[in-house]
Amino acid sequence: DVKVTQSSRYLVKRTGEKVFLECVQDMDHENMFWYRQDPGLGLRLIYFSYDVKMKEKGDIPEGYSVSREKKERFSLILESASTNQTSMYLCATRVFTGGSYEQYFGPGTRLTVT
Amino acid sequence: GESVGLHLPTLSVQEGDNSIINCAYSNSASDYFIWYKQESGKGPQFIIDIRSNMDKRQGQRVTVLLNKTVKHLSLQIAATQPGDSAVYFCAEKARGYNQGGKLIFGQGTELSVKP
Repeated sequence: DVKVTQSSRYLVKRTGEKVFLECVQDMDHENMFWYRQDPGLGLRLIYFSYDVKMKEKGDIPEGYSVSREKKERFSLILESASTNQTSMYLCATRVFTGGSYEQYFGPGTRLTVT
Repeated sequence: GESVGLHLPTLSVQEGDNSIINCAYSNSASDYFIWYKQESGKGPQFIIDIRSNMDKRQGQRVTVLLNKTVKHLSLQIAATQPGDSAVYFCAEKARGYNQGGKLIFGQGTELSVKP
């Protein structure tokens, strides 16, 4: 089974703090994704990565950056957290087998910025 | 740009009945669609997918129907059970070069199953 783990389930940070959200996968997948999930808005893509040291902006990259130094690890960074970044953050990894574009998701990190 | 939308944010059904969750998409060139289920406190889990060269695909107790004429997608759950209570998302694969298998998600429909 594919396993995607996220470093924290719940996180509380103060406005202006630098925040690191870590995601680790154990299946040697090239593609990894960071989403945020808010009520009524579904999942919105922040950043994704094709492979080590490669990254692409998603639909809402403002206020975020990412790092992919190792294939199994994809980090989301909030340089200076703000209250409007309070959200559920989901990491996903993509497997491409037999024509499927299925993404496997981690359990999510609920971040509260006060 | 592309967008995916669901018709109803909530759906309540009686246990044992069939459920139908609907989804509309905007890009007529979209060629791949996928349904996810998200239970409370968990990340989304894959249910079923379908390519645009198909109209229907069946899984275990689930069927996805694709109507390309009206750009509509539906997920049917047979004999709905309490364990089916969750938020259901449809998504389409983004078109274009260098999209890396990016998926565009709808807002989700929350399914509640009454005993």
